[in-house]
Order: sequence, then structure tokens, then C-alpha cells
Amino acid sequence: RKEVEQDPGPFNVPEGATVAFNCTYSNSASQSFFWYRQDCRKEPKLLMSVYSSGNEDGRFTAQLNRASQYISLLIRDSKLSDSATYLCVVLQAGTALIFGKGTTLSVSS
Amino acid sequence: DAGVTQSPTHLIKTRGQQVTLRCSPKSGHDTVSWYQQALGQGPQFIFQYYEEEERQRGNFPDRFSGHQFPNYSSELNVNALLLGDSALYLCASSLFDVGGQPQHFGDGTRLSIL
Repeated sequence: RKEVEQDPGPFNVPEGATVAFNCTYSNSASQSFFWYRQDCRKEPKLLMSVYSSGNEDGRFTAQLNRASQYISLLIRDSKLSDSATYLCVVLQAGTALIFGKGTTLSVSS
Repeated sequence: DAGVTQSPTHLIKTRGQQVTLRCSPKSGHDTVSWYQQALGQGPQFIFQYYEEEERQRGNFPDRFSGHQFPNYSSELNVNALLLGDSALYLCASSLFDVGGQPQHFGDGTRLSIL
């Protein structure tokens, strides 16, 4: 079983749509959780941290369920500029980031 | 304020050769981590350096080694290159005293093995 598993994707949605990405992690000792965004052939960039209480940043909402070892990202009112690969990331012991394979989102007009 | 810089941008090598990749961390950062990203995959942690020592290592063979210099810059060395080493190599820097997060990534070095 992979340490971090994500929806296979790709997700193809029209502008204005709401899209949700899911992620599960295997290590219950995982400490911190993040969503990173990676544009084609570019470096990953931190989109947002994920907290147990849930957190929101504009059109983006992240949720964490520690009991189910499940993380989600909701994007509302999708924009063309949201097209990218979204990486679910878990921090285990130390400071090594464990990345999922990523889910590709394509938003079309 | 310079971000993380990596060199070279692209590199082509043949099997069996050795390669050295370089990384300068973001100004003020003291910790450097290296990741390998194969095509269609997420980045995989190779190792992390702090205070010129390897602090943590992922599941990579001894062919992968590194170094950190007093100015916090770092090198990744790969010996006896295999075709499977073809990937994007990413360097990330962070500040140890705040728990090493968030990590800021460089643009990466794209390594192709022929």
C-alpha cells in the first residue's frame, strides 16, 4: 500500500465548477498535512496546510479526518488558472515530505 | 530576496557516468532537502542536510550521496547512473528552528540518462 494515495484523475471540468480531490495516508503517526500545486514542468508550490478543524483560503477548502486518515481539497468556482496537478503531502517523522502521485485538473472555458 | 536556485537546468548523461547537481537555498534558510520526481509521479524524498550533516534519508541506494557546505548550499551526487535515474531532481530549503516547514522548492534539474 502506498503511503499517500490520491484520486487517479484527470479531472476535466468547466469554468465555475466545484471539484473535490481526496487523499488517504497509511501512517497514523503522520504529523502534518499539505496540498501542493505543481504546474507543468515547474516546481511544487505550497497551496495550503490542512488542519483537523478544516481551513479555507478563498475558493479553496481543505479538510482532515485523522480517524479515517483522509484528506480532501475542495475548489469552488474553478478558474482556467486552477489547471495544474494537485499533490497531497504528508509529513511523517522528521521533516521529510511524503507526496502522493498527484491529481491533474484541467479547467476549460 | 533570492529563492532556491538549482544548477544546471538540464543535463544529459550516459549509463555508468557520475553527476553532481547543485542547490543554493533561499536566503535565511539552513536546511536543504533533495527529491526525485519521475515522470507522472510525485516527488520522492532522497535525503536532507542540516549543519553539514545528513539528517534523514529516504529509500535510495548508496549511489546517491550529498554534501552541505558552510554557506548552506548543497550538492547531490549520483554514481553509476542507471536509465531509471532519469528524472526531475528538486531541491527544497527550509528553516530548521521552525520545524522545517514550509519547504520552498527550486525549479529543479532535469536529468536524462541515455
